[in-house]
Amino acid sequence: KQEVTQIPAALSVPEGENLVLNCSFTDSAIYNLQWFRQDPGKGLTSLLLIQSSQREQTSGRLNASLDKSSGRSTLYIAASQPGDSATYLCAVTTDSWGKLQFGAGTQVVVTP
Amino acid sequence: DAGVTQSPTHLIKTRGQQVTLRCSPKSGHDTVSWYQQALGQGPQFIFQYYEEEERQRGNFPDRFSGHQFPNYSSELNVNALLLGDSALYLCASSWRDRGTGELFFGEGSRLTVL
Repeated sequence: KQEVTQIPAALSVPEGENLVLNCSFTDSAIYNLQWFRQDPGKGLTSLLLIQSSQREQTSGRLNASLDKSSGRSTLYIAASQPGDSATYLCAVTTDSWGKLQFGAGTQVVVTP
Repeated sequence: DAGVTQSPTHLIKTRGQQVTLRCSPKSGHDTVSWYQQALGQGPQFIFQYYEEEERQRGNFPDRFSGHQFPNYSSELNVNALLLGDSALYLCASSWRDRGTGELFFGEGSRLTVL
C-alpha cells in the first residue's frame, strides 16, 4: 500500500529565505507526482506536475525534483514571500486516471 | 475559462440527514473525482466518474454515492450523516484522453454535521 509522508509538518521562515519541502513515498511505481498549495479553508491549487520519467519541473520561483528510486520529491521555493504562506501538499498516482494518494501537508509561514 | 466549480460552499446538517454536493468540471474535462479532507489531513479519495460510470472507489461506505451527468458534471450524495462526515469535500476534474493524470480542484464544499 502506497504511503506518502511530508516532513516537517510545519515550517516558519523569514521573508527572503529559500523554502525546501520534502515528500517521500513508499512505492516507487508511480505514474506522476503533483505538488499543490492550499490556503486555509480553500481548495487545492496545482503548482507542478512531474511525470515519472522526469527528474524535475520548474515554474517561476518553484522547482520540484523527483527521485523515484529513493521515493522522494523536493519542492524548492526561492526567495520566499509572505504570500507563500500556505499548506503545501504532495500527491502521487499510479496510473493516468489520476487517483491521488496525498501526504498530510507541510504548513508554511513566511514572516515579514 | 472557468475552472472547477462546486456548490454549495458551506452547509450544516444534522446527524441522520442526507446531503447532495455538486460539481462542474473544468471546461473540456470529462473525468470527475471526489475527495474528503478532514481538518489537518490530506484529502482521501472517495470515487471517480468517467462516461457516467463509477470507475473506481476508495475505502468509503455505501452511504457515499455519486452520479455523473452527460455534460460531465457530477453529484456526491451522502446518506445517514454521521458526525465524522464533517469535512471539506473536494471535487477534481481531469481530461482522460490527455493521459497526464493531472487533476484540477475546486474550492470545496464545507460540510458540518451537528
